[in-house]
Amino acid sequence: EAGVAQSPRYKIIEKRQSVAFWCNPISGHATLYWYQQILGQGPKLLIQFQNNGVVDDSQLPKDRFSAERLKGVDSTLKIQPAKLEDSAVYLCASSERLAGAYNEQFFGPGTRLTVL
Amino acid sequence: GIQVEQSPPDLILQEGANSTLRCNFSDSVNNLQWFHQNPWGQLINLFYIPSGTKQNGRLSATTVATERYSLLYISSSQTTDSGVYFCAALEPPMRFGAGTRLTVKP
Repeated sequence: EAGVAQSPRYKIIEKRQSVAFWCNPISGHATLYWYQQILGQGPKLLIQFQNNGVVDDSQLPKDRFSAERLKGVDSTLKIQPAKLEDSAVYLCASSERLAGAYNEQFFGPGTRLTVL
Repeated sequence: GIQVEQSPPDLILQEGANSTLRCNFSDSVNNLQWFHQNPWGQLINLFYIPSGTKQNGRLSATTVATERYSLLYISSSQTTDSGVYFCAALEPPMRFGAGTRLTVKP
């Protein structure tokens, strides 16, 4: 079974530029998550989708970050404009369902963003 | 939201030693996971363990949900066990601890 796919793996941009990340979850997984992991910290949830609807985006900086999950499969996360403090690894994860008896999350390899 | 605390923050072992990593959480949880983040940044699932005990080779985990903690045991550690170990409480939203950085020396 294929895992969670992400691209690109690395991205270097200048501040105030825009950037987009792509995620393809495990086939059949209804729930998709985007996390931000700053060096030396644990991942922090940015946004959570159930199919193509947003379940939780309370920690998403909506003035510069946006995300969508069209057709309930792939997802893109965009930053516009980027700031220095956005330098981090952006992780995508998926699980079979939102909640209940079993919602183990599986993570992709991440995209390492450096903002200069 | 739920708070997740991990201890110790850093651990250095000689190859072959055993270790115990602890995860405390501030409220009852229905679901809990342990991950290993390797030096390349990949988060690898170790255990999905809302309660009880599970074992996988040299690793085992125990969650006592009523007392709000989980333990990860690593026996006969190897250099490839090095990295950061995270526990995460799967409650909306999912909360990660700050991690335990394990270094296993040959």
